[in-house]
Amino acid sequence: DAGVTQSPTHLIKTRGQQVTLRCSPKSGHDTVSWYQQALGQGPQFIFQYYEEEERQRGNFPDRFSGHQFPNYSSELNVNALLLGDSALYLCASSLGAGQETQYFGPGTRLLVL
Amino acid sequence: DAKTTQPTSMDCAEGRAANLPCNHSTISGNEYVYWYRQIHSQGPQYIIHGLKNNETNEMASLIITEDRKSSTLILPHATLRDTAVYYCIVRVGRDDKIIFGKGTRLHILP
Repeated sequence: DAGVTQSPTHLIKTRGQQVTLRCSPKSGHDTVSWYQQALGQGPQFIFQYYEEEERQRGNFPDRFSGHQFPNYSSELNVNALLLGDSALYLCASSLGAGQETQYFGPGTRLLVL
Repeated sequence: DAKTTQPTSMDCAEGRAANLPCNHSTISGNEYVYWYRQIHSQGPQYIIHGLKNNETNEMASLIITEDRKSSTLILPHATLRDTAVYYCIVRVGRDDKIIFGKGTRLHILP
């Protein structure tokens, strides 16, 4: 049973560029959440997708957007990259909107130069 | 902001029980206490959660005080592989959003 997978594992971009990160949830899970983790900090909630719609959003600007596909996989898009967007981006999946246990993927490490 | 307070770091000897405290004095009656850990360069890993009663699984035990204002995660026989940052989290409402604090960095000493 595959767990949560994310791609790519590492990425280097320059300021002003756009990036797309991908996540496949754990088998049987239908809800995907995205988190940003800066070095030395705990993960910060970006948003959550359920039934192909954004259900909740953390305190992140509109440059951060996402999408969920019918197969429950998800993308995180970040436009107009800033140096401060350099971080580990984590995807977590769970079953159902009210499900309490999230399983995290290994993350994508983004470096913005 | 995180609704929990944890020590920044702790040490524990290998083979001993590691007891990680967490304060959550403003917890609401319907909020659960969750514990996750994050080993270096990996995504967080779910450990255990509870509401009122003490809980135990194959990884750890969770002791919640009667007033629910604090809890302790117990790793019964710590190994070097338990070296990680441990996050105590109070779940916000009925949805899956998790507010992480800075956690406790646990060092297991050989």
